[in-house]
Amino acid sequence: DTAVSQTPKYLVTQMGNDKSIKCEQNLGHDTMYWYKQDSKKFLKIMFSYNNKELIINETVPNRFSPKSPDKAHLNLHINSLELGDSAVYFCASSGTATLGYGYTFGSGTRLTVV
Amino acid sequence: AQSVTQPDIHITVSEGASLELRCNYSYGATPYLFWYVQSPGQGLQLLLKYFSGDTLVQGIKGFEAEFKRSQSSFNLRKPSVHWSDAAEYFCAVVSSGTYKYIFGTGTRLKVLA
Repeated sequence: DTAVSQTPKYLVTQMGNDKSIKCEQNLGHDTMYWYKQDSKKFLKIMFSYNNKELIINETVPNRFSPKSPDKAHLNLHINSLELGDSAVYFCASSGTATLGYGYTFGSGTRLTVV
Repeated sequence: AQSVTQPDIHITVSEGASLELRCNYSYGATPYLFWYVQSPGQGLQLLLKYFSGDTLVQGIKGFEAEFKRSQSSFNLRKPSVHWSDAAEYFCAVVSSGTYKYIFGTGTRLKVLA
């Protein structure tokens, strides 16, 4: 059983397109996250939801819109894709939004914008 | 602002040798500290964490880390490295004011047979 699953694993698309990445966790966790990992492996948080409520919204272009239909799902929609959006996007979850709990990560979605 | 520094971008060790990966943090209060490992093409896996108590913490896969407040460090160690330990290692700190994890830039470990 995959704890945090992301689909698709790979996504190649043209500039200007709109795409979505889906994330689901079966751990019963309350909090989910989206992270972006660039080509230098730097990880930066984008968004976090706790029980469907947005609690972290970093300085991310508004072309990126997260949606959490329930606490087990956190999807990421990207409009008007740009070359600079190429990266690996990781979904993660944790048991609570409070401190001290580690994340469980998905295996990532490699987005390539051409 | 909180920050995490991993001074070594790449480290190469021979199989069976000991390992120490460095992590320094900048934070006003006692931080919540973590080490994660990322194998190629995979997500990150939690190795260990510290937020109070004994400053030497044990993790999975034979790793341990020591919190040293005086040096603002949380270095990761392993007494004998296995070839399967080759991966990218990330140190992270959690901000108490938010729920944000701040990751270091990672250290890539190469293991020589």
